[in-house]
Amino acid sequence: EVQLVESGGGLVKPGGSLRLSCAASGMLFSKGWMNWVRLTPGKGLEWVGRIKSKTDGGTIDYAAPVKGRFAISRDDSKNVLYLQMNGLETVDTAVYYCTTDSSGCRYWGQGTVVTVSS
Amino acid sequence: DIVMTQSPDSLAVSLGERATINCKSSQSLLYSSNNKNYLAWYQQRPGQPPKLLIYWASTRESGVPDRFSGSGSGTDFTLTISSLQAEDVAVYYCQQYYNIPRTFGQGTKLEIK
Repeated sequence: EVQLVESGGGLVKPGGSLRLSCAASGMLFSKGWMNWVRLTPGKGLEWVGRIKSKTDGGTIDYAAPVKGRFAISRDDSKNVLYLQMNGLETVDTAVYYCTTDSSGCRYWGQGTVVTVSS
Repeated sequence: DIVMTQSPDSLAVSLGERATINCKSSQSLLYSSNNKNYLAWYQQRPGQPPKLLIYWASTRESGVPDRFSGSGSGTDFTLTISSLQAEDVAVYYCQQYYNIPRTFGQGTKLEIK
């Protein structure tokens, strides 16, 4: 059974940073393409970015609102996906999910809450 | 970017009745080389992560009840729940995975009438 478990969320002031983690099990993580998706109260689901597997080039793509502020990475030796978030803004307040990227988003974690507020 | 527009924004249907949600993309999601539509549907119940219901526009995910069906091609798609059950109360999203950035519809809130 595939399990994705996010962690690292919390309350942060505008301009601050957080690093989210997503621990994967039950899948061949190194072969998987992975997304970060967020759920915001006003906008619904919003794709944040994707990282391909290293064997497929390891390309990383970002949504325009986070490009230059967020960075996705992966540690295939630990089966962990990361989202480094810098320069956080109030509009980044959301539940952040990691998902697999294959014919849609088949597997989702339970999410981790990020609140950006002064 | 491909814009995904769902209609309606909210919907109230009686138990046992049919519910229909529409999704329109700003460009075709049909990839000519394999004749597949790169369109997925998700259900999100309160407090839960989204759940994949349908992919390739009409393929039901394993374990999803057969009252859920997807149809459409190109730019116009439909999710149909043939006989609404109480546990179907949720927000439903369509998503295109034709290209980057992946984009979602704004969501349709389904309630019991």
